Amino acid sequence: RKEVEQDPGPFNVPEGATVAFNCTYSNSASQSFFWYRQDCRKEPKLLMSVYSSGNEDGRFTAQLNRASQYISLLIRDSKLSDSATYLCVVNPGYNFNKFYFGSGTKLNVKP
Amino acid sequence: EAQVTQNPRYLITVTGKKLTVTCSQNMNHEYMSWYRQDPGLGLRQIYYSMNVEVTDKGDVPEGYKVSRKEKRNFPLILESPSPNQTSLYFCASSPRPGSSYEQYFGPGTRLTVT
Repeated sequence: RKEVEQDPGPFNVPEGATVAFNCTYSNSASQSFFWYRQDCRKEPKLLMSVYSSGNEDGRFTAQLNRASQYISLLIRDSKLSDSATYLCVVNPGYNFNKFYFGSGTKLNVKP
Repeated sequence: EAQVTQNPRYLITVTGKKLTVTCSQNMNHEYMSWYRQDPGLGLRQIYYSMNVEVTDKGDVPEGYKVSRKEKRNFPLILESPSPNQTSLYFCASSPRPGSSYEQYFGPGTRLTVT
């Protein structure tokens, strides 16, 4: 079983739509959670960390559900510039220097 | 400008010909890591380093070597490349070891082994 799993998509949405992605992780001891954004095989860049109580950054909201072992990313009022692949990243907890990446969820925002 | 650089950006080589991919960061970061990215598999961690002379294996270390003789540099060495090492490679750094820090990625090295 993979450590981190994501729906590969693509999610095709119109501008202005709200879209949500989930990411499940297998290790219940996982400690740290992140969403990274990757444009067309360029380098990943941090979008936001995910905190236990949930957190928001402008149009982006991240949530953590430890009971069901998933994190989510909600994007409101989608922009064309949000088109990218969103990577879920998890630290498994048994080693604070290891990281597991999901294979990414592709988002296409259409005019 | 704070950045992580990788060289070369693109490399086509033949099976068995030793190669080194360099990684350098100018942010005085302690932690550095190498990943490979393959379609459908996401990024997988090859090796990481918590500081100078301190390295450890990630999930897919077979066929790779690393060294960390200076804080800023973390080269990835393929002693005898094989076609299954054809991939997109990313180097990353973060201020400290530990799971809560943002990782800053280099631009990637696309390697093809024929």
